[in-house]
Amino acid sequence: EVQLLESGGGLVQPGGSLRLSCAASGFTFGSYAMSWVRQAPGRGLEWISSFSESGSITYYADSVKGRFTISRDVSKNTLFLQMNSLRADDTALYYCAKEGDMYTNYVRYWYFDLWGRGTLVTVSS
Amino acid sequence: DIQMTQSPSSLSASVGDRVTITCRASQTIGSFLNWYQQKPGKAPKVLIYAASSLQSGVPSRFSGSGSGTDFTLTISSLHPEDFGTYYCQQSYSIPRYTFGQGTKLDIK
Repeated sequence: EVQLLESGGGLVQPGGSLRLSCAASGFTFGSYAMSWVRQAPGRGLEWISSFSESGSITYYADSVKGRFTISRDVSKNTLFLQMNSLRADDTALYYCAKEGDMYTNYVRYWYFDLWGRGTLVTVSS
Repeated sequence: DIQMTQSPSSLSASVGDRVTITCRASQTIGSFLNWYQQKPGKAPKVLIYAASSLQSGVPSRFSGSGSGTDFTLTISSLHPEDFGTYYCQQSYSIPRYTFGQGTKLDIK
């Protein structure tokens, strides 16, 4: 079955750290770009980090740059997000998402074609 | 960063109604626009990619249009299961995807 399963969320104090995992199955994990997207309670979706299709480049939103690190272990089909110096406004449901693509009129278009169920991170004292 | 603005923020419609949601980009993005549906407690699901291409398995009552900065998602005849929140997303400046703020659709 093609799926993503996040884990590692929980309650952490401000300034603390947490490591999220996303286990992939049913597709060739190392051949796709992967992202983390978060959703604060009652709020919209925010892209926060991506790992490139080539596996050599990482990207971060300004809101998490310098505090979060994305990585992957292809041998374990797992994506990670190391979160340090956590703040109250990092409280959110964290989704991992697979980046799919389709060609239309010879142009390549990208979108998130597979999402996990999310793991909740709560930053509070 | 490219900002995406959706309207309305919420709407209520009846089964059978034609529903339209709009999305505006802060700069031109060609057809690099996706639409997602999210139901409460669930992950988002892609409906439309490349502004107007229907994702496999999505009912044909969903359609997308537009290019440049202005885009529209249309549900031709609302079904009860179409409640949820709809998000547009630009994929022009990947991987720095940005989403609209969402449109919450309630069924009357």
